[in-house]
Amino acid sequence: NAGVTQTPKFRVLKTGQSMTLLCAQDMNHEYMYWYRQDPGMGLRLIHYSVGEGTTAKGEVPDGYNVSRLKKQNFLLGLESAAPSQTSVYFCASSYKGAGYEQYFGPGTRLTVT
Amino acid sequence: KQEVTQIPAALSVPEGENLVLNCSFTDSAIYNLQWFRQDPGKGLTSLLLIQSSQREQTSGRLNASLDKSSGRSTLYIAASQPGDSATYLCAVFGNKLVFGAGTILRVKS
Repeated sequence: NAGVTQTPKFRVLKTGQSMTLLCAQDMNHEYMYWYRQDPGMGLRLIHYSVGEGTTAKGEVPDGYNVSRLKKQNFLLGLESAAPSQTSVYFCASSYKGAGYEQYFGPGTRLTVT
Repeated sequence: KQEVTQIPAALSVPEGENLVLNCSFTDSAIYNLQWFRQDPGKGLTSLLLIQSSQREQTSGRLNASLDKSSGRSTLYIAASQPGDSATYLCAVFGNKLVFGAGTILRVKS
């Protein structure tokens, strides 16, 4: 099992550009999450999904959109990138049968200039 | 709103010491508490998961306890090694996972 994988690992964008971050998990987990990690702010939840076709807002959803068309994939989109979105983005997944233990991907380092 | 606090923010110890990391949370209505390790520039590795009905979990040299009524958890690391140097994060799961800011641990050889 690859666990949770994220694509790409690094990306540099110019202000106003758009991009999509892909998260994939091969553990058949129902729940998937997107977090961002910033120095001094810790990890904060952006959006999450409790199953295929569902999404919900987390703590800091503004400027991001998500989609979960397939159970194994969770996409995070930035429509018009801003320097404030420079961060490290982590995807995670979990399922109820394991007590909601969360498994994290390796992260995507995004810089917006 | 759930708030998670970790003390100390940083800790430096000589190799071989036993040490305790502390985590406190404000809302006791949680499903579980999870301890993670994060190495610089890397993702999060789950160390221990304690369900709300449990009091402690052990894995090798690590032992985590949970006192839900007082809103506290401790991570005990026995016989610390330089390879234990990392940031340790505590997170509580109610309807979402809320993280503490972490404790940066350095174990000196």
